[in-house]
Amino acid sequence: DAGVTQSPTHLIKTRGQQVTLRCSPKSGHDTVSWYQQALGQGPQFIFQYYEEEERQRGNFPDRFSGHQFPNYSSELNVNALLLGDSALYLCASSLVPAVGTEAFFGQGTRLTVV
Amino acid sequence: AQSVTQLGSHVSVSEGALVLLRCNYSSSVPPYLFWYVQYPNQGLQLLLKYTTGATLVKGINGFEAEFKKSETSFHLTKPSAHMSDAAEYFCAVTPGETSGSRLTFGEGTQLTVNP
Repeated sequence: DAGVTQSPTHLIKTRGQQVTLRCSPKSGHDTVSWYQQALGQGPQFIFQYYEEEERQRGNFPDRFSGHQFPNYSSELNVNALLLGDSALYLCASSLVPAVGTEAFFGQGTRLTVV
Repeated sequence: AQSVTQLGSHVSVSEGALVLLRCNYSSSVPPYLFWYVQYPNQGLQLLLKYTTGATLVKGINGFEAEFKKSETSFHLTKPSAHMSDAAEYFCAVTPGETSGSRLTFGEGTQLTVNP
């Protein structure tokens, strides 16, 4: 059973560019959450998708947007990249957005903005 | 709002010694609490979680944690450290029944195990 898979694993972008990160949830899971983990910090919640809609959002600007597809996979888009967007982006999947449900994390995408 | 404070960004123990990683939380509603481990260049793996019921929770790899409401704490322990326990550990909280599994993480504690 494949777990949560993210692509690409590493990415280098220039300031001002746009980037798309992809996530396939664990088989059977229908909810996808995205987190940003800056170097030396804990992950910070960006947003969560369920039934192809954004259900919750953390304190991130509108430059961060997402999408969930009918097969439950998800994309994270970041526009007008800033140096401060350099981080590990983690995708987590779970079965329905229920409290206490275990979230399974992917290995992340390391984004470097130069 | 919820928050998590992990006391000690770095903890160093000898192999075979007790591991104690501290976590204090703040929550306006009864919290659900989690401990995750992160190995280098990997994602997060759930060690254990507390939702309701028994306050002493046992997890994988010999770890356990005790929910103490009066102290707003959820410290992680392991009786005997192993070299393979070296990793970064994160405590996380969700605001009980009012959330859809949105996690608020602490800053993390890097555990070093010395031979």
